[in-house]
Amino acid sequence: DIQMTQSPSTLSAYVGDRVTITCRASQSISTRLAWYQQKPGKAPDLLIYEASSLESGVPSRFSGSGSGTEFTLTITSLQPDDFAIFYCQQYKSFSTFGQGTKVEIK
Amino acid sequence: EVQLVQSGAEVKKPGESLKISCKGSGYSFTTYWIGWVRQMPGKGPEWMGIIYPGDSETRYSPSFPGQVTFSVDRSISTAYLQWSSLKASDTAIYYCARRRYTINWFDAFDIWGQGTMVTVSS
Repeated sequence: DIQMTQSPSTLSAYVGDRVTITCRASQSISTRLAWYQQKPGKAPDLLIYEASSLESGVPSRFSGSGSGTEFTLTITSLQPDDFAIFYCQQYKSFSTFGQGTKVEIK
Repeated sequence: EVQLVQSGAEVKKPGESLKISCKGSGYSFTTYWIGWVRQMPGKGPEWMGIIYPGDSETRYSPSFPGQVTFSVDRSISTAYLQWSSLKASDTAIYYCARRRYTINWFDAFDIWGQGTMVTVSS
């Protein structure tokens, strides 16, 4: 099994802040990584696939980078609608999700 | 509009069987893999596996050995997730999701159902 570890678990930030979330894989997954946003009571929404490709309709303030075992999701200028839980997902071998990063209002 | 619509919440007793559904619309149902994802209360999502509606080929996660069965009914564009004998630990929200249209078996999910809450309690 490929394990995915996100950090931090919780992040407090102000509207307008630049935010970075990290996801580490237990072995190399090339760029086989996606990022999702999940709001309370809703299904996850795809933000980024193939580590850095922006899903259609997702605001350009979201970006992804990385390859191998270390990946980041960056939100430039955090908006009120962005407060949620973010998950990474590897799909190199079967698929596993990270444990999540909750982005809270400071 | 492309969407997946899941069946409603279920409350079952341990040992009972259950089949929940996921109906696709707005796209060619038989040409996209459908995945199932479990999310236990307060936890992250867990990938259970995928099924290809075109020929019912499946890929189950090694983390869910023999616990669930995927199936489809192509005539009504519906995928199913079923259990033969539920346990209390099966209590969770279950999502179906459409896998991106790629040549890879494993990929991201671009369209999600609204989720089905399954509660197993005596």
